[in-house]
Amino acid sequence: QQQVKQSPQSLIVQKGGISIINCAYENTAFDYFPWYQQFPGKGPALLIAIRPDVSEKKEGRFTISFNKSAKQFSLHIMDSQPGDSATYFCAASKMEKLTFGTGTRLTIIP
Amino acid sequence: GAVVSQHPSWVICKSGTSVKIECRSLDFQATTMFWYRQFPKQSLMLMATSNEGSKATYEQGVEKDKFLINHASLTLSTLTVTSAHPEDSSFYICSARWSNTGELFFGEGSRLTVL
Repeated sequence: QQQVKQSPQSLIVQKGGISIINCAYENTAFDYFPWYQQFPGKGPALLIAIRPDVSEKKEGRFTISFNKSAKQFSLHIMDSQPGDSATYFCAASKMEKLTFGTGTRLTIIP
Repeated sequence: GAVVSQHPSWVICKSGTSVKIECRSLDFQATTMFWYRQFPKQSLMLMATSNEGSKATYEQGVEKDKFLINHASLTLSTLTVTSAHPEDSSFYICSARWSNTGELFFGEGSRLTVL
């Protein structure tokens, strides 16, 4: 059972544009929602995270929007740069255990 | 930020041999570490939760006799793939939970190739 659904599977965005990745979850017991960035052959690195009592969190060019009633959350990357090209995973956590989304391969083109 | 080191970063072994992968928290204590498996272009799947001084908790479908986990100290957890076969070839990633803050930090991963 896939508890965290992520879309799109791949995304191509022009440099300077906004990259948007969406996730939906089923388990209302999840209480922590992080986003990870992973480059090929490397482990994932935490980008930004949010808890369900907040609807939005912004850190630099990265913003998480969280809709508790819809059980959805999204990552927005503003002013996307070629260096942002990577695979992005959303995740949801209950009792420390992370359930990852399926991943989105983001490519930023000049 | 906190650093989690995995060793080796890549290993090639013959079918039937055992391989040990280490996960170390370099500058913090981690009472809990997690082991994940990632196939190419796929997501991370949690294999087991490792608690210092106690037996690991394995996720459903993960063979505990196949994937031996030991968490002997607050800074080291090891994953041993016993009698490895080609289908065990994968990218294995650990994460460590910093006891003070609860934050999770990931290692760089270890790529296992079984011939």
